[in-house]
Order: sequence, then C-alpha cells, then structure tokens
Amino acid sequence: AQKITQTQPGMFVQEKEAVTLDCTYDTSDQSYGLFWYKQPSSGEMIFLIYQGSYDEQNATEGRYSLNFQKARKSANLVISASQLGDSAMYFCAMRGLTGANSKLTFGKGITLSVRP
Amino acid sequence: GAGVSQTPSNKVTEKGKYVELRCDPISGHTALYWYRQSLGQGPEFLIYFQGTGAADDSGLPNDRFFAVRPEGSVSTLKIQRTERGDSAVYLCASSPGTHAGTQYFGPGTRLLVL
Repeated sequence: AQKITQTQPGMFVQEKEAVTLDCTYDTSDQSYGLFWYKQPSSGEMIFLIYQGSYDEQNATEGRYSLNFQKARKSANLVISASQLGDSAMYFCAMRGLTGANSKLTFGKGITLSVRP
Repeated sequence: GAGVSQTPSNKVTEKGKYVELRCDPISGHTALYWYRQSLGQGPEFLIYFQGTGAADDSGLPNDRFFAVRPEGSVSTLKIQRTERGDSAVYLCASSPGTHAGTQYFGPGTRLLVL
C-alpha cells in the first residue's frame, strides 16, 4: 500500500520569492516514482516534475526542483521565483515501478497563493 | 500534439439515470487510467487499461461503474443508476506504457447528480 501526506493547509508566497511545498510518503515498494502535479482553477492536472527512488540527484525542471530525502521519505517541491500564475492546488503523487500496478496515489493537495 | 481530451466537460443528470463519460488519450499511448476527484480531495484511482484490457479495476466503487476500451484507444466510463454521491470530477490520464512515462491528464468531466 502507498500513502501520500500533504499537511500544509494553504501556503502564501510573495511574487518572485521561493516557496517549499511539503510531501511525505510511505510505501513498501523498493522501486517507486514520485510526482508533482499542478491543478489551477480550470481543473486540469498539469505534470510538473518526476523523481525516481533510485535517482541519485534531485530532479529539476526549470523553476521547479524536488528536494528528495529518501531516508526521511519526503519529496518536497521547491518553486523558485514565484509568479502570479503559480497560484493553484499542488498535488504530490507516487506509484510503484515494479509489478503490474502503475496507478498513482495522490495526497490531498496544497493550495498555493502568490501575492503581487 | 493533442493532449488527452474528455467529453462532455460538464454533465448534469438526475438520480437513477445512466451516464457515459468519454476519454480520448494521447495518440500512441497504450495505458489509460480513470480517476475520480471529489471536492477538496486528491484524485482516486478507478481503473487502468493496458491496450484493450482492464489490467486493474480495483478502484471501481461498485458494480454500477464499468469502463471499456474496445479498440485500445478511446475509453468510455459508464455509470448506471447514478447516485448523488457519484457527483465528482472524473479525470482520465494516459501514458506511453506500463512503467515508462508520466501520466498526462485530461481536463476532466464534472458530473453533478441531482
């Protein structure tokens, strides 16, 4: 079984500043992938970044980076130089990378509001 | 290229009616997933297709829910005898294969059962 925990109820950040969104996970899988998705008010889930459990380096994609701490089972998303368009819900998710089951397990999400 | 598309974008129905929700995945993607997202929650897995077959339907809540993907491309999620508790956003995602690639989501269908 897999579990994602996102406990921050809502986050506020000033435009152009950096923000960290927390995610902890639990799994019995030895090999797994961690994902972050953005969901603006329009509703579409937009893929942001991926981290494999065996990747030695933290993933980065433009202004997004993933602070992966395997021993702590955490996969925090860091957004640098926040923009107004970053205001949205952010979901952390994971799936196993072995076996036949590749479904994603999501957390409850975090609301990010960027202030001008 | 075109992303995942879903129709209709919104569906209002009455309790007890039958509804069909359609998903058109990214061309060439063999894996297709359905999720359900209730208000204030993250998406929850319903069913996964690899090609034409349902590889995992463990997330379907009961036998009123059924999904097909007859030609390995477009999928239809079917809900019989709808209940008010079925109201949610139904999201479809596709990926290139079982363990390769990220799941890319469509815009969802907002279902409201009155």
